[in-house]
Amino acid sequence: AQKITQTQPGMFVQEKEAVTLDCTYDTSDPSYGLFWYKQPSSGEMIFLIYQGSYDQQNATEGRYSLNFQKARKSANLVISASQLGDSAMYFCAMREGSGSRLTFGEGTQLTVNP
Amino acid sequence: DAEITQSPRHKITETGRQVTLACHQTWNHNNMFWYRQDLGHGLRLIHYSYGVHDTNKGEVSDGYSVSRSNTEDLPLTLESAASSQTSVYFCASSDGGGIAKNIQYFGAGTRLSVL
Repeated sequence: AQKITQTQPGMFVQEKEAVTLDCTYDTSDPSYGLFWYKQPSSGEMIFLIYQGSYDQQNATEGRYSLNFQKARKSANLVISASQLGDSAMYFCAMREGSGSRLTFGEGTQLTVNP
Repeated sequence: DAEITQSPRHKITETGRQVTLACHQTWNHNNMFWYRQDLGHGLRLIHYSYGVHDTNKGEVSDGYSVSRSNTEDLPLTLESAASSQTSVYFCASSDGGGIAKNIQYFGAGTRLSVL
């Protein structure tokens, strides 16, 4: 079974609107971490936000927030007030247990329209 | 500023040749990783290291090898390049394990074409 599933290959949003990118995960380990990375067309991987499995509150970093629903095993990324520069590929990833390896989803291509 | 650099950024090689991709980090991180990125597969882990002289296979390690002789470098070697290894390769590093954030920071990537 896929450990990280991103069901939206492509998403479109109007500038200044909010958008939610979906991510579901599968693990039996009670200790894990969830990450979102942004990959613009230039190709670099940029860390956006992290959520630990034991964190009591949803993570937020500026315009990025993570809608963490542990029982549903989902960790959706919410981008508020979208900007043209948010157009990029977005990857959800998971770290399990005490290890450091990441498993990535296949990504969602976000396009912000003016 | 600390950083992680990959070289070369672009490489064209022929089938059967040995190729080495360099990765150098100045974060003083213990953990280093190599991924490949192909359309429809996201990033897949090739090899990783948790410290000097430690190396481990990832999910797509066949045809690749790594060695870690110091903290800063983890070169990736394709022993005999195949067309199926045409891809974009990313190196990453992170500072530890446990339940800490352990964020991985990525290099800019190397685009490899095997003809």
